[in-house]
Amino acid sequence: AQSVSQHNHHVILSEAASLELGCNYSYGGTVNLFWYVQYPGQHLQLLLKYFSGDPLVKGIKGFEAEFIKSKFSFNLRKPSVQWSDTAEYFCAVNVNSGNTPLVFGKGTRLSVIA
Amino acid sequence: KAGVTQTPRYLIKTRGQQVTLSCSPISGHRSVSWYQQTPGQGLQFLFEYFSETQRNKGNFPGRFSGRQFSNSRSEMNVSTLELGDSALYLCASSLHQLETQYFGPGTRLLVL
Repeated sequence: AQSVSQHNHHVILSEAASLELGCNYSYGGTVNLFWYVQYPGQHLQLLLKYFSGDPLVKGIKGFEAEFIKSKFSFNLRKPSVQWSDTAEYFCAVNVNSGNTPLVFGKGTRLSVIA
Repeated sequence: KAGVTQTPRYLIKTRGQQVTLSCSPISGHRSVSWYQQTPGQGLQFLFEYFSETQRNKGNFPGRFSGRQFSNSRSEMNVSTLELGDSALYLCASSLHQLETQYFGPGTRLLVL
């Protein structure tokens, strides 16, 4: 069964620091990739997604992610974080064929301090 | 367009009771998925419905069931509640399977 690994459980950064959150998945076929964010007290929102095409994907609020097929990775980046980026970030994958559900990583909690 | 709505938002039940949660997808969306979110396990897939048919089921006991109506609204039911069923239950809708899923605010269930 496919799985998604987010290696960082909790990341603490100062404002203006750069961010990179790791995401690796286990499936070797064609996949769709997503990053979702859950701000405190709010529901899950889509940050960005990759289905095909340019492996560097830009999302909302200055986030981007790069799909590296050879490394089975889809890492999330932001050059300069703000206090308002404090949230939990989830990577998710589904297989681009067949009948498989969306599989989520366990999430990475980001705390941005002033 | 209105987003995904879930009712009720909060629920307190006791062990052994049953509960029904409701989800109204975004208008025009035909696929509805349900997830259980807990601090220890993260988001775990429960089931997915498309055009009133269950397309996928996660690794949960038979006490967890669901259905989808012709207007795409969905309900999930948990019978014989256990303490470990305390969680945030999330519903997500998409136009079709494999499309981007949009999440509702969730129903927070507490089992005492």
